[in-house]
Amino acid sequence: GAGVSQSPSNKVTEKGKDVELRCDPISGHTALYWYRQSLGQGLEFLIYFQGNSAPDKSGLPSDRFSAERTGGSVSTLTIQRTQQEDSAVYLCASSLSGKGSPLHFGNGTRLTVT
Amino acid sequence: AQTVTQSQPEMSVQEAETVTLSCTYDTSESNYYLFWYKQPPSRQMILVIRQEAYKQQNATENRFSVNFQKAAKSFSLKISDSQLGDTAMYFCASRGQGGSEKLVFGKGMKLTVNP
Repeated sequence: GAGVSQSPSNKVTEKGKDVELRCDPISGHTALYWYRQSLGQGLEFLIYFQGNSAPDKSGLPSDRFSAERTGGSVSTLTIQRTQQEDSAVYLCASSLSGKGSPLHFGNGTRLTVT
Repeated sequence: AQTVTQSQPEMSVQEAETVTLSCTYDTSESNYYLFWYKQPPSRQMILVIRQEAYKQQNATENRFSVNFQKAAKSFSLKISDSQLGDTAMYFCASRGQGGSEKLVFGKGMKLTVNP
């Protein structure tokens, strides 16, 4: 079946502009995650959605970052007034509920802020 | 705070040899899950193996196996008969700490398999 789909795969934007990154999870997966991976670094947790519960936003680095998940499916990560330090790969993952369920990752969006 | 530590930033191994990647974690929970993920240059994160903390038996998936030492909070990955395609970043991760289902990753380790 189809995996996690992210778009765009690459995005170049000017400092100060807003960007939207899209994630289409695997059908039937109730949990959706956003991570950020800076060059050569590990994965930094950003936000987590589970069903109809309030999202865990504890990883969002500033109020310029926000995310929503519409209809329990597609999610959009928005970065306002982008800064050069926002340049990174943004990875989305989805899973079934339950702590033992593995995450399935998309290929990520590489964001470059010039 | 939840932490996962991978102390070796980089390793190399000869093709067909065995290599062990180390990982330690910190948790106050009794029930949690541990994972190893692989990220080749294509950037795609791939699940390698998963371990349930309440299971004493070490998980095995073909050439990949873990050495899970619960008391020591250690979760190492052993790759047997290394192949060129095993060249990738490897990330250790834990889930279920503190009641959250978020997956917490270590900083990763770059493994290079040489011909």
